[in-house]
Amino acid sequence: SQTIHQWPATLVQPVGSPLSLECTVEGTSNPNLYWYRQAAGRGLQLLFYSVGIGQISSEVPQNLSASRPQDRQFILSSKKLLLSDSGFYLCAWIGDWNTGELFFGEGSRLTVL
Amino acid sequence: AQSVAQPEDQVNVAEGNPLTVKCTYSVSGNPYLFWYVQYPNRGLQFLLKYITGDNLVKGSYGFEAEFNKSQTSFHLKKPSALVSDSALYFCAVRAPGTYKYIFGTGTRLKVLA
Repeated sequence: SQTIHQWPATLVQPVGSPLSLECTVEGTSNPNLYWYRQAAGRGLQLLFYSVGIGQISSEVPQNLSASRPQDRQFILSSKKLLLSDSGFYLCAWIGDWNTGELFFGEGSRLTVL
Repeated sequence: AQSVAQPEDQVNVAEGNPLTVKCTYSVSGNPYLFWYVQYPNRGLQFLLKYITGDNLVKGSYGFEAEFNKSQTSFHLKKPSALVSDSALYFCAVRAPGTYKYIFGTGTRLKVLA
């Protein structure tokens, strides 16, 4: 069966420090992968999605970036964190593209101080 | 552009009573519609979806939703609420031929014992 892993689960970082959040999917190949951010426990904002290795689409201009170095790995990065980057980051993948729903990881909570 | 609206920030219902969580959408073409539930500090869990076919869709944990094309709505319902249904509920839409899943701002459901 397919599973999705995110780490770290919790992260506290100072302003101006770098960031790397990792997402890995198991049990499938060539998934479509997504990064969402949830601020203050409410709505989800689509940040990036990827349909294949090295193919990244950015939805919101900001100081975050994403990379997909391997088929089932999706990384969210920043060179210098801002206070406003705090939030709950969720990775998701799609199973059946024609009809399918997204499956989410357990999330990474980032606090920038 | 596609969008989703969840007009209620919070819905309170007594245990055993029916519940409705509202969702309206705007999308070109025939939409793919989804409901998710989120418990504190967890990822989103898929509840149900509408792709095509019968307007009444049944999902997990006794939830169902009705697709109404003329009203562009996809309200989530359950005949008898449980205290354990208390959580944050998200409606989402994807337009055919696109990769983006757009989520509403979420509705907090509180079921009172």
